[in-house]
Amino acid sequence: EPEVTQTPSHQVTQMGQEVILRCVPISNHLYFYWYRQILGQKVEFLVSFYNNEISEKSEIFDDQFSVERPDGSNFTLKIRSTKLEDSAMYFCASRSRGANYNEQFFGPGTRLTVL
Amino acid sequence: TQLLEQSPQFLSIQEGENLTVYCNSSSVFSSLQWYRQEPGEGPVLLVTVVTGGEVKKLKRLTFQFGDARKDSSLHITAAQPGDTGLYLCAGVFYGNKLVFGAGTILRVKS
Repeated sequence: EPEVTQTPSHQVTQMGQEVILRCVPISNHLYFYWYRQILGQKVEFLVSFYNNEISEKSEIFDDQFSVERPDGSNFTLKIRSTKLEDSAMYFCASRSRGANYNEQFFGPGTRLTVL
Repeated sequence: TQLLEQSPQFLSIQEGENLTVYCNSSSVFSSLQWYRQEPGEGPVLLVTVVTGGEVKKLKRLTFQFGDARKDSSLHITAAQPGDTGLYLCAGVFYGNKLVFGAGTILRVKS
């Protein structure tokens, strides 16, 4: 069964460093998302992406964050200068154009630890 | 800001018991999804409900969407230890982003 994959599974970085989190969405999906989950808190929406542009973003997604679809298969989230409070699980999700009512399929997540 | 309240936060029951988890909002959902999440993993989609009053069944799990599309419930019949996990509801109010509830941690003891 097709699934969303994410790499790395765990990323440890120093505050102020740049990180890139990678996702391979399900192959025929056209809508892509990033969510994050701080330990013990709700899953929060960060950004949605369609047709090579951001379609919606939350207030969390400030100018330190960017997304890119560099080729036909990868979808990346970049944090330019990480802060301690960026430590969280980051989930990528995707859905197809014809998906029933926004059914999004999630990857296993990347645990980001900022020291 | 749309909020989605989920209750209870934690539920510990014996094998064979029934349980219900609730998800409520003051706003109307265009659709609502239920997910299950294991520790250290991503949410796994269980079901999507769209129509007011809709009922969907997945083996021993029954999902209901309120008539006004502001609330939903998940009922598990004869819970098994394998049902143990975190259950999340997530609604779409507009656009296509999911707004998640805080989750219900279910523990089924044998």
